[in-house]
Amino acid sequence: DQQVKQNSPSLSVQEGRISILNCDYTNSMFDYFLWYKKYPAEGPTFLISISSIKDKNEDGRFTVFLNKSAKHLSLHIVPSQPGDSAVYFCAARPTKSGANNLFFGTGTRLTVIP
Amino acid sequence: DTEVTQTPKHLVMGMTNKKSLKCEQHMGHRAMYWYKQKAKKPPELMFVYSYEKLSINESVPSRFSPECPNSSLLNLHLHALQPEDSALYLCASSQDRGRPNTEAFFGQGTRLTVV
Repeated sequence: DQQVKQNSPSLSVQEGRISILNCDYTNSMFDYFLWYKKYPAEGPTFLISISSIKDKNEDGRFTVFLNKSAKHLSLHIVPSQPGDSAVYFCAARPTKSGANNLFFGTGTRLTVIP
Repeated sequence: DTEVTQTPKHLVMGMTNKKSLKCEQHMGHRAMYWYKQKAKKPPELMFVYSYEKLSINESVPSRFSPECPNSSLLNLHLHALQPEDSALYLCASSQDRGRPNTEAFFGQGTRLTVV
């Protein structure tokens, strides 16, 4: 049972435009959310995170929005650059349960077209 | 140093072989993880070590045996694997299993092929 879902397996965006990647989750125990970027044959690289006490976190070109009532988060990349082309994984953690393992979504492959 | 180093990068082994995957970090992290990732699937947690003690085993078959010799090293011993165990094995570390709001750093992974 996939508790973290990324319903768009792929997304293509023109360079300079905004990329919006979406993620939904089902477990209400999740209270910390992360986005990872992954290139082929490499491990995931941490991008940005957000705690459930916030609804927005920004770091340079990357902004993550959290809508707890809808159990939905999104990653905005603006402006998109060709080097952003990779697979993006959303991940969630149920910290209050005492566990610290990450539950990953299935990933969205972003292609930024020059 | 924010690196998690995994060796080897690639491994081909027969079903009767015994091999080990190695992971090392020097960030002072006290939680270390093994994940398994099949093609076009998300990483799935296998084991978590916290302060060198095994704290989570996600019902992984005994042909996978983790070991944490010290706070910087994590091994995964492999014996009598099946072809379906072929996958990318990822090691990760984070500051502390119990501390919230900390990200996990991942290694590049070991691409394992069982023949």
